Amino acid sequence: GAVVSQHPSWVICKSGTSVKIECRSLDFQATTMFWYRQFPKQSLMLMATSNEGSKATYEQGVEKDKFLINHASLTLSTLTVTSAHPEDSSFYICSARGQGRGAYGYTFGSGTRLTVV
Amino acid sequence: QKEVEQNSGPLSVPEGAIASLNCTYSDRGSQSFFWYRQYSGKSPELIMFIYSNGDKEDGRFTAQLNKASQYVSLLIRDSQPSDSATYLCAVNSRGGGGADGLTFGKGTHLIIQP
Repeated sequence: GAVVSQHPSWVICKSGTSVKIECRSLDFQATTMFWYRQFPKQSLMLMATSNEGSKATYEQGVEKDKFLINHASLTLSTLTVTSAHPEDSSFYICSARGQGRGAYGYTFGSGTRLTVV
Repeated sequence: QKEVEQNSGPLSVPEGAIASLNCTYSDRGSQSFFWYRQYSGKSPELIMFIYSNGDKEDGRFTAQLNKASQYVSLLIRDSQPSDSATYLCAVNSRGGGGADGLTFGKGTHLIIQP
């Protein structure tokens, strides 16, 4: 089945530093990647959608200069949280959708627990 | 704005009984409906999806969709303690060929009592 690998699974960083999260589709070509954020006791909130080779589309209220998304290839997308602050501490999850796939295209990565201290 | 509503629970069900989870959505144009299970600290796992009105069965799980009422449900038969988790309802408004991400409900916390 479709597998999406996400790294790191957890990271602790100091306030003001940047953190990069990687999301790779291992056995299919991910034409679209979605990035979600989940705060404790809350549901997943879509942050942005990226298509391979083009700029990401951000949801309302998500700062594009703070959350940099790169989708340079059909198997890799990265999310960089720049100048992280404690309020950015959250569970970040990527989801990949392959070309021509149906519902199974919404394959989720294992998530990254970010803690900013 | 698209909204997906779920009762947060907790919903407590005895082992072996049927667990019934409900979800309503606001966007009448929604076309694809998903149920995910999420264990604490983990990523969501797809249980099943449904596109058409009516019932769809997969093992112990049955999804039910009523587009006129904008309502989707998930039934879990013969509930097991391992089914204890948060169940997320998610909706996509562009169907199978669209590129929109999913809109999630806040989830229902299900507890199966041994």
